[in-house]
Amino acid sequence: EAQVTQNPRYLITVTGKKLTVTCSQNMNHEYMSWYRQDPGLGLRQIYYSMNVEVTDKGDVPEGYKVSRKEKRNFPLILESPSPNQTSLYFCASSRTVGETDTQYFGPGTRLTVL
Amino acid sequence: GESVGLHLPTLSVQEGDNSIINCAYSNSASDYFIWYKQESGKGPQFIIDIRSNMDKRQGQRVTVLLNKTVKHLSLQIAATQPGDSAVYFCAENTGTYKYIFGTGTRLKVLA
Repeated sequence: EAQVTQNPRYLITVTGKKLTVTCSQNMNHEYMSWYRQDPGLGLRQIYYSMNVEVTDKGDVPEGYKVSRKEKRNFPLILESPSPNQTSLYFCASSRTVGETDTQYFGPGTRLTVL
Repeated sequence: GESVGLHLPTLSVQEGDNSIINCAYSNSASDYFIWYKQESGKGPQFIIDIRSNMDKRQGQRVTVLLNKTVKHLSLQIAATQPGDSAVYFCAENTGTYKYIFGTGTRLKVLA
């Protein structure tokens, strides 16, 4: 089954404790992206990757890091989480970017930083 | 389930009626638009898309209309069903690798 998986689905942590949210897709997609979703703000893009070893900042990259060492994986790293990073996070992938290149979203990771 | 928005505009529609959900997009240079559906506890799901060289595109029970003059996008759902209850939002792309998403509208289907 074609899918995007994220782990963990739920995480409660404390300020400053490094964490990683994993994202994996099994569709051989080139493009992957991370978003955060907050009430009243919609989805905002954190980082994206056009292919292996190629990443770039989205609209809200501060406090986050990513890596793309393999095509299927795109982990999101919070080196020193803060309470304002409490949010619902989604990973997405698409074959490339553009018409008919539908983005497939993962199920989401609910992060709470105390 | 996951809360996607506590203060979203809500559209309540009687089952079997047609629904129209609107979206104002921000960038006049955007040339690709997508509508997503998000059910509680799930990630966004692609519904339909449209390029800027079109003003209408139809799918199964859904139609997207694009008015570039006023930067407006609408999603029409025919014969709305209970399974259509969800949050719907639009997204725009300027041909780059970045997407801009709207905040969404909650659709409630009344039995």
